[in-house]
Amino acid sequence: LAKTTQPISMDSYEGQEVNITCSHNNIATNDYITWYQQFPSQGPRFIIQGYKTKVTNEVASLFIPADRKSSTLSLPRVSLSDTAVYYCLVGDSNDYKLSFGAGTTVTVRA
Amino acid sequence: GAVVSQHPSRVICKSGTSVKIECRSLDFQATTMFWYRQFPKKSLMLMATSNEGSKATYEQGVEKDKFLINHASLTLSTLTVTSAHPEDSSFYICSATTYLTNNEQFFGPGTRLTVL
Repeated sequence: LAKTTQPISMDSYEGQEVNITCSHNNIATNDYITWYQQFPSQGPRFIIQGYKTKVTNEVASLFIPADRKSSTLSLPRVSLSDTAVYYCLVGDSNDYKLSFGAGTTVTVRA
Repeated sequence: GAVVSQHPSRVICKSGTSVKIECRSLDFQATTMFWYRQFPKKSLMLMATSNEGSKATYEQGVEKDKFLINHASLTLSTLTVTSAHPEDSSFYICSATTYLTNNEQFFGPGTRLTVL
């Protein structure tokens, strides 16, 4: 499983865009990049997954450069309820196991 | 969407007793279930992988005789913490997956275990 590195914490204000970059230099050809969100005392929740270029859904966008050695999760116009820990994971879709790193604690202030 | 439940959500027990935590996939059949442990302000640590009808595979450092996992059906896995001690107090989270959903893991809400 490829190791990931992300900032420990980020602060933002309501209405701003938050971008969290994750480094995964050892990503393998078959690996996908997946982001999860976790609120205190809750299980993680799937946000978005991608392989290359850009993926967008109703919650976030995921930008992946051509070399795939990093990825950026973009949360548009955050609100207080987006305060959570965000985890970047890299793994083969055929490999069920997930390895969670430290995650990024995003704090949104009014 | 796929829903995973856990029961109980919170349990307090005395040291030396055993505690069973259930994990259920409510609207799909899970080929594989996972058990994680999370200490305060720490990340999730995978404890074991469980496939229906077969023995669980434990991660290095996890005592299989202390954390008993039973995966009796495609919708139910149980984790029993035997002879619990205060250091076993933690947040236990399960997840379930199926190849039909491209192996995306769906997580339960977690169980807060406090051992006195």
